[in-house]
Amino acid sequence: EPEVTQTPSHQVTQMGQEVILRCVPISNHLYFYWYRQILGQKVEFLVSFYNNEISEKSEIFDDQFSVERPDGSNFTLKIRSTKLEDSAMYFCASSVVGPEKLFFGSGTQLSVL
Amino acid sequence: AQSVTQLGSHVSVSEGALVLLRCNYSSSVPPYLFWYVQYPNQGLQLLLKYTSAATLVKGINGFEAEFKKSETSFHLTKPSAHMSDAAEYFCAVTMNTGFQKLVFGTGTRLLVSP
Repeated sequence: EPEVTQTPSHQVTQMGQEVILRCVPISNHLYFYWYRQILGQKVEFLVSFYNNEISEKSEIFDDQFSVERPDGSNFTLKIRSTKLEDSAMYFCASSVVGPEKLFFGSGTQLSVL
Repeated sequence: AQSVTQLGSHVSVSEGALVLLRCNYSSSVPPYLFWYVQYPNQGLQLLLKYTSAATLVKGINGFEAEFKKSETSFHLTKPSAHMSDAAEYFCAVTMNTGFQKLVFGTGTRLLVSP
């Protein structure tokens, strides 16, 4: 069965450093998302991406965040200068038809020290 | 704005017992509702969804949920728990129009004892 692949599974970084979280969505999918979950809190929407541009972004997704689909297969989330509060599990998801049937990756646990 | 509330961060049942995980939603427009399951070290997997067809929705692994508009609820049930059902369960809502994000609840961890 096709799956969404996220790398790395764990990322540790120092505050102020840039990180790039990588995702390979399912190949025929058109909609791409990033969500995150801070330990003990809700899974929160960050951003959606369709037709090579951001469709919607949350208040969390400020100027420190960016997304890119550089080569038609990867979908990346970049945090330019990490803060302690960026520590969370980050989930990538993709879909053919929007939010009705999302496929999620297993997540990247980001720890900012 | 839409939201979901999941009552109980942890639910414990014995193997063979009824599983009931509660979810109440708030939405100003007719919602689409979802239950996702997350097993340890894995991603979120869709269990079932309500998209304005039948109010009783059957999903994978013997789970089902009933949409009750009068109670703004979408509780998840399974008649007989199995050890393999131990996982984290998330309720989520989105609007039924266009291309919209999912709004998740805080999750309920289901513990199943022998």
